[in-house]
Amino acid sequence: EADIYQTPRYLVIGTGKKITLECSQTMGHDKMYWYQQDPGMELHLIHYSYGVNSTEKGDLSSESTVSRIRTEHFPLTLESARPSHTSQYLCASSAGTPAWDNSPLHFGNGTRLTVT
Amino acid sequence: DQQVKQNSPSLSVQEGRISILNCDYTNSMFDYFLWYKKYPAEGPTFLISISSIKDKNEDGRFTVFLNKSAKHLSLHIVPSQPGDSAVYFCAATGNQFYFGTGTSLTVIP
Repeated sequence: EADIYQTPRYLVIGTGKKITLECSQTMGHDKMYWYQQDPGMELHLIHYSYGVNSTEKGDLSSESTVSRIRTEHFPLTLESARPSHTSQYLCASSAGTPAWDNSPLHFGNGTRLTVT
Repeated sequence: DQQVKQNSPSLSVQEGRISILNCDYTNSMFDYFLWYKKYPAEGPTFLISISSIKDKNEDGRFTVFLNKSAKHLSLHIVPSQPGDSAVYFCAATGNQFYFGTGTSLTVIP
């Protein structure tokens, strides 16, 4: 059962276009995350948020931006898509903070982005 | 530098037998470890976790073992079923979640 929703599931778009990947969760979690994953590779953290109006960049350098205006919504925007942005983007949320309590991440089904 | 490593990209097991998936980590400060299961075109699903104060945690057919001195954890699935065929990721937490590259498990009927 999915309590965290990502749209679109698949997106093919041309170079230079602006895109927004949507992520919403109904669990009331304060903590939300965006990961990027390529086949055979580990998940890389690109953005996270610990609450409304709080956003931070992750370890992986990314040209994307995020916003957190509402607890349940954490969209990711690429102002100008490039072929190097082709990847799977996974949104996740958790009830706790990694450094402070043991709460698992709950993932959405991901957006598979292809930039041509 | 990768802090969580899964050195076996793939594993095949006969239905009914035990599947053992392995994971190594480098940071002794990690204190919470998780396993996720991922089907193609879906997001990872949380499977089982273990705190660093334990060495074993069981949930039905799934058992996770933690060897802190060796910085090693493993996931045992007994008995393995065809529906278990998926990619399994291990993860560890410090100030954030660190993931391995995954092991693709195929359970042969």
